[in-house]
Amino acid sequence: ETGVTQTPRHLVMGMTNKKSLKCEQHLGHNAMYWYKQSAKKPLELMFVYNFKEQTENNSVPSRFSPECPNSSHLFLHLHTLQPEDSALYLCASSQEFTGELFFGEGSRLTVL
Amino acid sequence: KQEVTQIPAALSVPEGENLVLNCSFTDSAIYNLQWFRQDPGKGLTSLLLIQSSQREQTSGRLNASLDKSSGRSTLYIAASQPGDSATYLCAVRIIDSGGYQKVTFGTGTKLQVIP
Repeated sequence: ETGVTQTPRHLVMGMTNKKSLKCEQHLGHNAMYWYKQSAKKPLELMFVYNFKEQTENNSVPSRFSPECPNSSHLFLHLHTLQPEDSALYLCASSQEFTGELFFGEGSRLTVL
Repeated sequence: KQEVTQIPAALSVPEGENLVLNCSFTDSAIYNLQWFRQDPGKGLTSLLLIQSSQREQTSGRLNASLDKSSGRSTLYIAASQPGDSATYLCAVRIIDSGGYQKVTFGTGTKLQVIP
């Protein structure tokens, strides 16, 4: 138990579906992140939220839409995804903007 | 652009052996460096965080060193055990001139410890 909880752990969706990934951290951190991990590739940072404000968007396609309602919760809304978006999506948090990263167990997404 | 390399990509050792995993980075102006382990299908577990002002950090059988001038970090695992089998990743954080952070991950070293 890392203190960062992600749901669902597995998700299968069609290209026309709309779904959301949820992340909750119980560590009192103020920065939260979404990462994408694809086979044979390094982790890719998608979004960063610091004190609920998005501070970074690494040229992520608009079919991925993040939401951070408070410093403990982070969502990733998904719509009209492509098969190449199939990957492990990891949420992380840190105490401060540049602190130690703590990751959740990830959400394995399969797009058919 | 920061590039992080981990060599070898895979390593197999007998139980009890001491081993060293390597992480190289191209931009030495780092803020900190973090080592993780990842078990198959799981998230990343933080092992050690080294700030740019530090030379090494230790936790149990693990010791991580940092040499910014040569762009290298090593993770030393003493008396390896089968439970150490996992993929080990290093992540390098820099802060750019605009105050934005950038964390770059290596592709990892997959370690197998044979009983």
